[in-house]
Amino acid sequence: QVQLVQSGPEVRKPGASVKVSCQTSGFTFTTFGFNWVRQAPGQGLQWMAWISANTGSTNSTQKFQGRIILTTDPSTRTAYMELRNLRSDDTAVYYCARSRGDRLDPWGQGTLVTVSS
Amino acid sequence: SYVLTQPPSVSVAPGQTARISCGGNKIATTSVHWYQQKTGQAPVLVVYDDRDRPPGIPERFSGSNSGSAATLTISRVEAGDEADYYCQVWATSGDLCVFGTGTKVIVL
Repeated sequence: QVQLVQSGPEVRKPGASVKVSCQTSGFTFTTFGFNWVRQAPGQGLQWMAWISANTGSTNSTQKFQGRIILTTDPSTRTAYMELRNLRSDDTAVYYCARSRGDRLDPWGQGTLVTVSS
Repeated sequence: SYVLTQPPSVSVAPGQTARISCGGNKIATTSVHWYQQKTGQAPVLVVYDDRDRPPGIPERFSGSNSGSAATLTISRVEAGDEADYYCQVWATSGDLCVFGTGTKVIVL
């Protein structure tokens, strides 16, 4: 069945970088795009960015431009999100989600990233 | 950028109907999708393209989109429906993907 499995929790110090992976199965990887969405503790969902696994084209919200790098590896059917220059307010659960048309389905289980000195 | 506004919470007794609104500028001209997020879990798509249900989603979940708001309706509410619900659209300018502010459904 269609699955997105993300990497485990991470702890980083302010100013460091983190790279979260999203391994997929059950569908043709390169025919879809992938979104990254984050959720700070007790807050709502915030869309961060999108990448086409076919072309490598990306789009991100202005808030993260210059700090976020999206990549994919079709050989391992995996999407990656790297966030640089971390701050304490980047502490959140980060989700990957497949684009299906203009909806997001399904979602990975989430990866908790904690930024603390 | 595009803003989608939802009520912070909706309280409903078991067996009754919950309605969650999602307001946005000219929202009736775009497709709206709805997600359910239970505590500690990832969001799950429950309605897409205003009114369609993915496989496995009960018929109790339905959607509409007209006038100034889209609406998610949960009929015959059960305790297991208690969750946060988010609407979402794919925009044509600004941020590609926009989520609503989220609504907590409380089953009394």
